[in-house]
Amino acid sequence: EVVMTQSPATLSVSPGERVTLSCRASQSVRSHLAWYQQRPGQAPGLLIHGASTRAAGIPARFSGSGSGTEFTLTISSLQSEDFVVYYCQQYDDRPHTFGGGTKVEIK
Amino acid sequence: EEQVWESGGDLVQPGGSLRLSCAASGFTFSAYAMTWVRQAPGKGLEWVSSIIDNGARTYHADRVKGRFSISRDNSRNTVSLQMNRLRADDTAVYYCARVQNGRQPGDPPSWEPYWFFNLWGRGALVTVSS
Repeated sequence: EVVMTQSPATLSVSPGERVTLSCRASQSVRSHLAWYQQRPGQAPGLLIHGASTRAAGIPARFSGSGSGTEFTLTISSLQSEDFVVYYCQQYDDRPHTFGGGTKVEIK
Repeated sequence: EEQVWESGGDLVQPGGSLRLSCAASGFTFSAYAMTWVRQAPGKGLEWVSSIIDNGARTYHADRVKGRFSISRDNSRNTVSLQMNRLRADDTAVYYCARVQNGRQPGDPPSWEPYWFFNLWGRGALVTVSS
């Protein structure tokens, strides 16, 4: 199975800063990569699919890039509601595996 | 408004069985593949099972294969997860989720969606403990 590795596990940043989250696949998943955001006690919500396409209603401060095995999620200016957990998921090959998540916390 | 919501979560003893249901409204349920994703307490997300729009194909994670079974009833807009021989490590919140893109007229029988999910339920807690 494709192993998805997210780094770092935790990021400490200040509001307004720019942050980049990393997701690496153990083999190429082409551009079949999605990012989700999960707030405490809530279900995940889709942010990005196709590695770089924002989902409906997602603010422009969220952007995704990459293909093959290396992907990034960038938040250009962190807002208070962005300090939550982010997961990547590949959907190129079954099982459609998730990364372990990156928690973005307030510095 | 498009919605899915889970029911059936409970406390069950190891070796026992439980059936989760997911109801849907606000969209043409029969056109969309559905999936179950779980999250153990304090842990990340884990894909469990998926079923295509017409139920002809199902998929299960190795960890649950032979114990869990996914099915759907398009006349009732529901998808279910039958869980047998439950173990302590099955303890988790189980989320029902829908793929973003449904089948379109003219898609071949072999068509499958891109398996990312844009509609999630709030989850059902399954606790396996004696």
